[in-house]
Amino acid sequence: EVQLVESGGALVQPGRSLRLSCAASGFTFDDYGMHWVRQAPGKGLEWISSVSWNSLTRHYADSMRDRVTISRDNANNSLYLEMSSLRPEDTAFYYCTRGRGLGELTDFDYWGPGILVTVSS
Amino acid sequence: DIQMTQSPPYVSASVGDTVTITCRATQGISTWLAWYQQKPGKAPRLLIYAASTLYDEVPSRFSGSGSGTDFTLTIRSLRPEDFGKYYCQQADTFPLSFGGGTTVDMK
Repeated sequence: EVQLVESGGALVQPGRSLRLSCAASGFTFDDYGMHWVRQAPGKGLEWISSVSWNSLTRHYADSMRDRVTISRDNANNSLYLEMSSLRPEDTAFYYCTRGRGLGELTDFDYWGPGILVTVSS
Repeated sequence: DIQMTQSPPYVSASVGDTVTITCRATQGISTWLAWYQQKPGKAPRLLIYAASTLYDEVPSRFSGSGSGTDFTLTIRSLRPEDFGKYYCQQADTFPLSFGGGTTVDMK
């Protein structure tokens, strides 16, 4: 059974940094591109970042481009999102997702339950 | 960047109804379009990809159509478990983007 489980969510002050993790299981992790999608409470979905299976290519949304780094550890079936200079508008549920297709441009067939990041003083 | 616009934002429907949701892209995306269903407090669930291909175990009352800039999600014979929010997503170009969502609630 495919499982994605996020961790690392927290209440943080504006300007601080945070690292989210996603533990993957039930599939061959390095066969898939992985992605982060977020959703502010009561709002819509926003794609944040993608990383290819071999980490050679990474893409970022403009809203977080200079403040976020996506990475993965295929040996440990893990995905990460390093966020810095956090703002109140970054408050959201952050979802770890698996890309369905072979390429990086894809939709998302498995989602973690999401982890809440709250940015507030 | 490609913007995705869904309409209507809200649909009130009854069990057994047919519901149609549209999604429009600001530029052509061929059939690189997916649909998701989201229930309150849950992660989204992939329903349809490549505009019209039903994902695994998705009931056949769901169907998708369209290409280029205009797409449709149709739910026939609406069931109680179909109430929720629906999103489209383009997978043609980075940045990937979602529509604003359509809430299907009970009349």
